Amino acid sequence: SQQGEEDPQALSIQEGENATMNCSYKTSINNLQWYRQNSGRGLVHLILIRSNEREKHSGRLRVTLDTSKKSSSLLITASRAADTASYFCAAQRRGGGADGLTFGKGTHLIIQP
Amino acid sequence: DTAVSQTPKYLVTQMGNDKSIKCEQNLGHDTMYWYKQDSKKFLKIMFSYNNKELIINETVPNRFSPKSPDKAHLNLHINSLELGDSAVYFCASSQAFWDSGNTIYFGEGSWLTVV
Repeated sequence: SQQGEEDPQALSIQEGENATMNCSYKTSINNLQWYRQNSGRGLVHLILIRSNEREKHSGRLRVTLDTSKKSSSLLITASRAADTASYFCAAQRRGGGADGLTFGKGTHLIIQP
Repeated sequence: DTAVSQTPKYLVTQMGNDKSIKCEQNLGHDTMYWYKQDSKKFLKIMFSYNNKELIINETVPNRFSPKSPDKAHLNLHINSLELGDSAVYFCASSQAFWDSGNTIYFGEGSWLTVV
């Protein structure tokens, strides 16, 4: 079964606003990771949150994890035009990396200047 | 000094042909992967190798055959290409397969178009 489904599929906001993306997953996880993909490029790791953590920060990024709801959110504060990209969540199942990471379809974020 | 490099970046070929995509990582990682990203951006794992040994082989047609000559290389050979094989193929690597908390490092992708 697919792990990691992002919501919304697309999001367009004005520069300077905050962007929030959500992710849901289906099974118990070791950790959940967020990746970013610029158009025509590979995915780049942004942040990892472990199953025993509830919130994590990295620069303008804030990730939350609610294991009871099997959901996570990624907040980008004070968005910039350069944040325009697709954002993917990826769940690593409990039991180790036996199937690597399973990715969702991503949220395409557009920051309007 | 690209961490994960794959070639070619673009490949246009006719149905029925056989093609290969090469991948190399200079990160000293034990584990390498091939992912396929379709036109709707859905990213799906195809294969995973740990120290040259096949670990994951998802439901992929046997026309796709990975080859790992050493742990720094994982090549993907595709026989008898079909229109539905058109996609972006990403090579990736991570430190150790069995550890939790793996960060995956991706290559820039190979855009395959079958005509």
